Amino acid sequence: QVQLVESGGGVVQPGGSLRLSCAASGFTFSSSGMHWVRQAPGKGLEWVAFIPYDGIYKYYADSVKGRFTISRDNSKNTLYLQMNSLRAEDTAVYYCAKGVGSAWSFHYWGQGTLVTFSS
Amino acid sequence: QTVVTQEPSFSVSPGGTVTLTCGLSSGSVSTSYHPSWYQQTPGQAPRTLIYSTDTRSSGVPDRFSGSILGNKAALTITGAQADDESDYYCVLYMGRGIWVFGGGTKLTVL
Repeated sequence: QVQLVESGGGVVQPGGSLRLSCAASGFTFSSSGMHWVRQAPGKGLEWVAFIPYDGIYKYYADSVKGRFTISRDNSKNTLYLQMNSLRAEDTAVYYCAKGVGSAWSFHYWGQGTLVTFSS
Repeated sequence: QTVVTQEPSFSVSPGGTVTLTCGLSSGSVSTSYHPSWYQQTPGQAPRTLIYSTDTRSSGVPDRFSGSILGNKAALTITGAQADDESDYYCVLYMGRGIWVFGGGTKLTVL
């Protein structure tokens, strides 16, 4: 069955960096577009970034453009999110999601990894 | 900036039918936006219910259905059950690699 397992979350300081990973299994990772979605504490879901199956193009929400980089390693079935210049408002649970359909809607989701800030 | 709108809250009686909607602050929602719907209970990851307007995700009971109603996307739950009490989110694909979530609807079953 499809499994997505995020890792790499933790406590960071404003201005710091963090790299999240999402290990995928149970489907052909190299054929699937993948997303990162986040959810701040007590808030709704926010789309963060998308990378097509081949990783040639990358798409970002305005709130993270220029600071976050989505990437993938199809040989390792792993999705990444490099987060730089982190801000307090980036505090959230970060989910990876497998895309589906012609518009790559979110299909299968991981359990998420939490990114929080130290004061 | 385009805002995706959802009812903040809704209530339904057990066994009843409820329709949640997903609109745009400006313009109409059509199938071109590939609307999708997600269910989330506190502390859990989202669960995909519907994508591409009306395609039910695997394992989702046929009590859940998606459609376009007027100028909005709609999620209809028939025969509501207690464990349908959740937050429901819609997403619209804006094109050019941009997806936008609605603010979510908190559904109460009572």
